[in-house]
Amino acid sequence: DTAVSQTPKYLVTQMGNDKSIKCEQNLGHDTMYWYKQDSKKFLKIMFSYNNKELIINETVPNRFSPKSPDKAHLNLHINSLELGDSAVYFCASSQFGTGGENTIYFGEGSWLTVV
Amino acid sequence: AQSVTQLDSHVSVSEGTPVLLRCNYSSSYSPSLFWYVQHPNKGLQLLLKYTSAATLVKGINGFEAEFKKSETSFHLTKPSAHMSDAAEYFCVVSRSGGYNKLIFGAGTRLAVHP
Repeated sequence: DTAVSQTPKYLVTQMGNDKSIKCEQNLGHDTMYWYKQDSKKFLKIMFSYNNKELIINETVPNRFSPKSPDKAHLNLHINSLELGDSAVYFCASSQFGTGGENTIYFGEGSWLTVV
Repeated sequence: AQSVTQLDSHVSVSEGTPVLLRCNYSSSYSPSLFWYVQHPNKGLQLLLKYTSAATLVKGINGFEAEFKKSETSFHLTKPSAHMSDAAEYFCVVSRSGGYNKLIFGAGTRLAVHP
């Protein structure tokens, strides 16, 4: 069974389109995250939700809107896609904790290419 | 502020020889430190983590890392490289006592030659 699953794995779309990436975890965790990995492999957190509430919101354009319908799901919607949005987006989950005592589990990534 | 610096962007070893991937960290707080591995076109897998317990941490697949506060280092080692170890390795820091927000290093690409 896949612990953190995200769909689609590959997405090619045109500039200006709106797209969503879905994420689900079956680990019973209460905290979920979106990370972005750019073309140089650099990974950075975008958002984190705990029990459907936003707890981390890094400096991300407001074209990116996360939505958490329940604690097992965290979707990422991107409006008016730009070339610079091309990246790998990783969903992750963990139990809520202060610091690193709770391991964060990552999905396999969604490769977004904007043309 | 917290940060990690991975001192080598690429490391190349022969199969059967030791692996050393270097990582220095900076943290104003007591840090938690991790190593994650990413195989080509795959997700991130946790190799090991340090959270203020034993300073020598053993992980999966024969990897281990030692937390050295005096040197602010958390280098990853393995006695004998295997072809399947070829991947991208990320050193990661998280602030103890704060939200579980991971700060990633730039990554080290490990190549293993026959």
